[in-house]
Amino acid sequence: LAKTTQPISMDSYEGQEVNITCSHNNIATNDYITWYQQFPSQGPRFIIQGYKTKVTNEVASLFIPADRKSSTLSLPRVSLSDTAVYYCLVGEVLDSSYKLIFGSGTRLLVRP
Amino acid sequence: NAGVTQTPKFQVLKTGQSMTLQCAQDMNHEYMSWYRQDPGMGLRLIHYSVGAGITDQGEVPNGYNVSRSTTEDFPLRLLSAAPSQTSVYFCASGDGEQFFGPGTRLTVL
Repeated sequence: LAKTTQPISMDSYEGQEVNITCSHNNIATNDYITWYQQFPSQGPRFIIQGYKTKVTNEVASLFIPADRKSSTLSLPRVSLSDTAVYYCLVGEVLDSSYKLIFGSGTRLLVRP
Repeated sequence: NAGVTQTPKFQVLKTGQSMTLQCAQDMNHEYMSWYRQDPGMGLRLIHYSVGAGITDQGEVPNGYNVSRSTTEDFPLRLLSAAPSQTSVYFCASGDGEQFFGPGTRLTVL
């Protein structure tokens, strides 16, 4: 599975848009990019998954450039409840979706 | 649907004791896995299963055993607990998106 690099932490304020970038230089052709969110004392929760260009759902957008060597998770208008750790993972959906390799993630702190 | 359930929520063991962490899912997922998370760290994969009767090792399998006799259950056994196994243990299941249980907080004295 491709190794990922994310910022260790980020600070933001309520109502702002937050963009968390993940670097994955060794991404393979069949790899997808997936983001999980983890609140303290809880298991991770799936946010969004994509392969190329842009994916949007009700909570976030995922931007993937043409070379796919990085990706950006965008959280619109964050609230205090978005304070969490965000993990970027890269791997094949079918073969690896059940054996996720987590890095240290990005700790997002949203301030009032 | 209960989703992924784990028992117990908390456990304290003495060094050398054995125990089984239970994990069950009612979503008929083929894939299940176990992770451990140490304070301030990401999750590390212990063991995983692609279906009943099939298991394999993850990143940190030493000191743990698993079995998968049914689709629903995937217990994790600690053979002889050590203080280094103090951690939070998460079970997950999913055929694509992974659903995580609430975790078991284990302390080994």
